[in-house]
Amino acid sequence: QKEVEQNSGPLSVPEGAIASLNCTYSDRVSQSFFWYRQYSGKSPELIMSIYSNGDKEDGRFTAQLNKASQYVSLLIRDSQPSDSATYLCAVPSGNTPLVFGKGTRLSVIA
Amino acid sequence: EAGVAQSPRYKIIEKRQSVAFWCNPISGHATLYWYQQILGQGPKLLIQFQNNGVVDDSQLPKDRFSAERLKGVDSTLKIQPAKLEDSAVYLCASQRGTQETQYFGPGTRLLVL
Repeated sequence: QKEVEQNSGPLSVPEGAIASLNCTYSDRVSQSFFWYRQYSGKSPELIMSIYSNGDKEDGRFTAQLNKASQYVSLLIRDSQPSDSATYLCAVPSGNTPLVFGKGTRLSVIA
Repeated sequence: EAGVAQSPRYKIIEKRQSVAFWCNPISGHATLYWYQQILGQGPKLLIQFQNNGVVDDSQLPKDRFSAERLKGVDSTLKIQPAKLEDSAVYLCASQRGTQETQYFGPGTRLLVL
């Protein structure tokens, strides 16, 4: 099974700053990429998906994809304490619809 | 629209005992997944069903884990006998179509002592 790598953190940013979360993947043929948010003790919820190289913006969230570098990132602008959570990168690989990374724990300090 | 339902929410058992988890997917969702999430890790796929058929169970430890979805709606995951390393959250997810969003249930937290 191919790998999805993330820095486990914790990543601490002050309120109002930009949080940058990174993910690399090993399966070169992957065509779709997903970011899930998981609050402590809760289940993952999808916040962004991206399929083409470049940027995709949705409110305060921007996903960036570079297939040549096998790299996908998530930027959170104007970070709020409510953004404090673990962010999971997920990529389809082979027959597996989603392979998840370990997640990056984000802490937004008020 | 009701979400994915799972029960129980918490379970504590001793090693070598058996345990079963239940999942009811969102109405109309043909695809159902069971994931295992160990503390500090991302969810790991155990088994995928399409209606009542198994699509992929390559990562299911079949010597102790079993799962079924007999009528193509709700599903049961069983562990027998449980080991200490089975302590994890067991997440069920459902999906309407193969290219659509997976929606996760609240999970069952299992502690094996």
